[in-house]
This record gives sequence, structure tokens and C-alpha cells, in this order.
Amino acid sequence: QQQVKQSPQSLIVQKGGISIINCAYENTAFDYFPWYQQFPGKGPALLIAIRPDVSEKKEGRFTISFNKSAKQFSLHIMDSQPGDSATYFCAAKKGRETSGSRLTFGEGTQLTVNP
Amino acid sequence: NAGVTQTPKFQVLKTGQSMTLQCAQDMNHEYMSWYRQDPGMGLRLIHYSVGAGITDQGEVPNGYNVSRSTTEDFPLRLLSAAPSQTSVYFCASSFRDTHSYEQYFGPGTRLTVT
Repeated sequence: QQQVKQSPQSLIVQKGGISIINCAYENTAFDYFPWYQQFPGKGPALLIAIRPDVSEKKEGRFTISFNKSAKQFSLHIMDSQPGDSATYFCAAKKGRETSGSRLTFGEGTQLTVNP
Repeated sequence: NAGVTQTPKFQVLKTGQSMTLQCAQDMNHEYMSWYRQDPGMGLRLIHYSVGAGITDQGEVPNGYNVSRSTTEDFPLRLLSAAPSQTSVYFCASSFRDTHSYEQYFGPGTRLTVT
């Protein structure tokens, strides 16, 4: 049972365009929603994260939009660059879980930004 | 700091063989975990540990064992390798109770079972 569903599986955008990746979750106990970025041959690295008490968080060209009622959140990459080409994973963590920092990941989106 | 290190980087096993994937971190993180990454399936949690001497199962624990004798090390053992265990394995660590919950991932081990 996939508790965090991510779409699309792959995405191709032109340089300067906006990349949008969407995630939906089922469990209302989730209270922390990070996005991880992974380059080929590397481990994932935290890109940006949000908590459900805010609807949007922006860091440079990266923005998370969060819709608590719809149980959805999305990553927007403005002015996409070829260097943004990577695999992006959304994730979620339950609050007050005894397992500490346990994350549930989405399936991943392979983003390609053409020059 | 070296961060999270994993060895080996690549490994080929025959069906039925056993091996241990090594993971170490030098950030004094309490929480450590093992994931496997397969195309179209994201990162799936195999086992995790919230501190030395404490381990628990994740989503896909069958065929794998772990132990945590020190804060720094969290090895993953494949008892009898099967082709279904062909995957890329990532170790990750984090502080257990912090505001950011950021997990730091190692570079991965690419395992092929023939």
C-alpha cells in the first residue's frame, strides 16, 4: 500500500520553464513533508520541506505548495535549469512516532530540463 | 566530517550467497536506516534503528538482518541472496528528535544477484 503517491513519473521541460511535481498522501497523521533531490550515482539529499501549518514555503527557485484539506502537496521549480535535471522524491513523516525520523517516500519523478 | 559512508559501491552475488553491506556515520546521529531503491518504486524502508541496540523492521524486511552495536555503524546482512534483491541500497542517518528531521544519505551500494 503506497501511502504517498507521486506524479508524474517523468517530466521534460525546457530551460526557463516551470517544473511541477505532485504528491498525494492518505494518512492524516503525517506532519512533515520533505522533498529530496537525487543526481545520478548519488544518494538523495534534502531540498526543501514543509509542515502542514503553512500553505507555501519558498527557497530560491523551489517552492512547496501544501493543501491540507486535499491531502496534496507539490514542488514547483521556477526558471528550470539543466542542472536541475535529477530525480525528485516527495516524502512524509508521522508526528510523534516512536520510530523517530521514519519517512515514507513517493515513487520518484525523473526531471529532465532541456537546454 | 565524512558524513554517511557505504561499502562496497558495487557488488555481484550468486543466488544463495550471503554478504554484509557496511554503513557508518560520524555525525553522532541516533537514527539510522536502510532503504532499497527500485525503478518506479521510490525508496522503500528495509530496517531502521533509533539507537545502539535497538532495531526494527520497515516495509520490506524479509531476507535482511541488521544489528546496531555502536552509534556509528549499521550493517545490513543478506542471508541468502535472491535475484529479487537486485537493487540499489542506501543507508541514511539523522538526529532522532529535531525540528528538521533531515536524513543524510550515503552514496549507495549497487547490488546485482545472478
